[in-house]
Amino acid sequence: NAGVTQTPKFQVLKTGQSMTLQCAQDMNHNSMYWYRQDPGMGLRLIYYSASEGTTDKGEVPNGYNVSRLNKREFSLRLESAAPSQTSVYFCASSDDGNQPQHFGDGTRLSIL
Amino acid sequence: DQQVKQNSPSLSVQEGRISILNCDYTNSMFDYFLWYKKYPAEGPTFLISISSIKDKNEDGRFTVFLNKSAKHLSLHIVPSQPGDSAVYFCAAYAGAGGGADGLTFGKGTHLIIQP
Repeated sequence: NAGVTQTPKFQVLKTGQSMTLQCAQDMNHNSMYWYRQDPGMGLRLIYYSASEGTTDKGEVPNGYNVSRLNKREFSLRLESAAPSQTSVYFCASSDDGNQPQHFGDGTRLSIL
Repeated sequence: DQQVKQNSPSLSVQEGRISILNCDYTNSMFDYFLWYKKYPAEGPTFLISISSIKDKNEDGRFTVFLNKSAKHLSLHIVPSQPGDSAVYFCAAYAGAGGGADGLTFGKGTHLIIQP
């Protein structure tokens, strides 16, 4: 009963380093999403993929890139990490936009 | 500019009583609304949703009410139980053509159920 799996769960980076956050879902969902959550804030959409082979920017895409590797996997890449990207990152999936999204347990990322 | 607002950062309710969490929105394009529950160090868990064509949806102890004219929705939990202590997020979806195909979240309300 995995649902949405995110790896790693925790990571510490130095400014300027690069990193890829991995996400996989086993619910055969078409749409996948990346959000970030900062203290005292709600989740904000970084990028989404409405279907395999497509990706689009969300509210806060700057400094990130994504890849929809196949229907199951959607990765988020930080090319040159900055302290402002310290956050908790959540991946989610859904059948389509008008259906509940199911979330992973998050990746806690600290950039020094 | 916050499109989804949860104006109460925290709410304390006695066990067995009703908990009422409120949410206001500004974007008229929102047509689907959801409530999520979140425990520390876990991802948000879907609780209940409502389409803009309805004004009420019930699921066990949870009921969501939507007032479109006021751009307001609320989540009622009756009776409140200790396991309900969590952060509750209100979220909205604008649908095709309404913007990014993702959810817009409020900042959350921390519900504390007192024994």
